[in-house]
Amino acid sequence: EVQLLESGGGLIQPGGSLRLSCVGSGFTINNDAMSWVRQAPGKGLEWISSISGRTYGTHYADSVKGRFTLSRDISKNMVYLQMNSLRADDTALYYCAKVVRWNQIFDAFDMWGQGTMVTVSS
Amino acid sequence: EILLTQSPGTLSLSPGERATLSCRASQTLDRNSLAWYQQKPGQTPRLLIYDASSRATGIPDRFSGSGSGTDFTLTINRLEPEDFALYYCQQYGSSFSFGPGTKVDI
Repeated sequence: EVQLLESGGGLIQPGGSLRLSCVGSGFTINNDAMSWVRQAPGKGLEWISSISGRTYGTHYADSVKGRFTLSRDISKNMVYLQMNSLRADDTALYYCAKVVRWNQIFDAFDMWGQGTMVTVSS
Repeated sequence: EILLTQSPGTLSLSPGERATLSCRASQTLDRNSLAWYQQKPGQTPRLLIYDASSRATGIPDRFSGSGSGTDFTLTINRLEPEDFALYYCQQYGSSFSFGPGTKVDI
């Protein structure tokens, strides 16, 4: 089955770090722009970061800029979201998503993973 | 940052009726870069419409999108029981942003 699979979430204390991973299962994501979108419990969707498919250029929402870093490893067909200086308001379900058109970083998302939960609490 | 507002917040309808959901952007969207997603409780968002009016793969033709500039509409003809859900619009013309959502319930 073609799908995106996220991992790496968990319970972390404020100020801590986590690294989320997203792998393309059954297909390659290496040419596609990839993004992370989060959803706090009972809240709406918030885009947080994207990485282009070819140049590996990255973009971040102001809410995470300077704290989160998005990267990719083409040998593993994966993207990583390194999250530092975590705060309580980072608590959310984090989704990995793929764009409709591989060569456009700003595009609609036609495939989403199931998400990985990050809880920031002492 | 482009802000999106959605109206109404909740739409109460019955199966077989038509749903009309609105999304307004704070600035003109380049290339009508607007998408609609459906999300059911405990499920991931599903892309319905992109580029304001193009249906995503596998989406029934009772879902249609229209609009341009700053005003966009998602229309669901002949509501099916499985269509009662939360709907988000998203712009990708200038970075990304999502609207707050419209709940379609019975």
